[in-house]
Amino acid sequence: QKEVEQDPGPLSVPEGAIVSLNCTYSNSAFQYFMWYRQYSRKGPELLMYTYSSGNKEDGRFTAQVDKSSKYISLFIRDSQPSDSATYLCAMKGRGAQKLVFGQGTRLTINP
Amino acid sequence: GAVVSQHPSWVICKSGTSVKIECRSLDFQATTMFWYRQFPKQSLMLMATSNEGSKATYEQGVEKDKFLINHASLTLSTLTVTSAHPEDSSFYICSARGDTTLNEQFFGPGTRLTVL
Repeated sequence: QKEVEQDPGPLSVPEGAIVSLNCTYSNSAFQYFMWYRQYSRKGPELLMYTYSSGNKEDGRFTAQVDKSSKYISLFIRDSQPSDSATYLCAMKGRGAQKLVFGQGTRLTINP
Repeated sequence: GAVVSQHPSWVICKSGTSVKIECRSLDFQATTMFWYRQFPKQSLMLMATSNEGSKATYEQGVEKDKFLINHASLTLSTLTVTSAHPEDSSFYICSARGDTTLNEQFFGPGTRLTVL
């Protein structure tokens, strides 16, 4: 079993829809959680960074962490075609150097 | 967010030659840099972690003599692919983390290497 599980998709939704992306993990030591967006042939871009449990909102993006369930989510409101990309969840424990990544979910927003 | 650059963005070379890729943190001091490799439609595969002034720590299965990593300053790390072969063709991405960025890790735009 992988430390971080993420449905690779592909996920296709109409423009304006609310998108929900999720990851589950098995290591209870993870404390720092990140979501990255990666366009084709580009490096990942940090979208959201959350420490421990709770919600964080930034514009159309909301990140949620539920440590009791070992489950994290990224919500995208009013989705746009420009949101079409691969979304990677990543996480690490306190004091750890390396990030552990999910497989990435390919998202397409259809005009 | 913090900015990380990579150079070159793409490179084509002949089999047997060596290629150097540079990774720079532009607006923060990168105490730790990471080098990843990514195959099409796959997630990132960590190759090595380097701390400024120290030897890189390579992941299992990564040949340290083939992928030479140098992190000589707080703003620059280099990856040299020695005696490149077609199977080394891939997308190489660096990332960096510094004292001021705490646990956040910022990625460069990537370098596409094609070995003929």
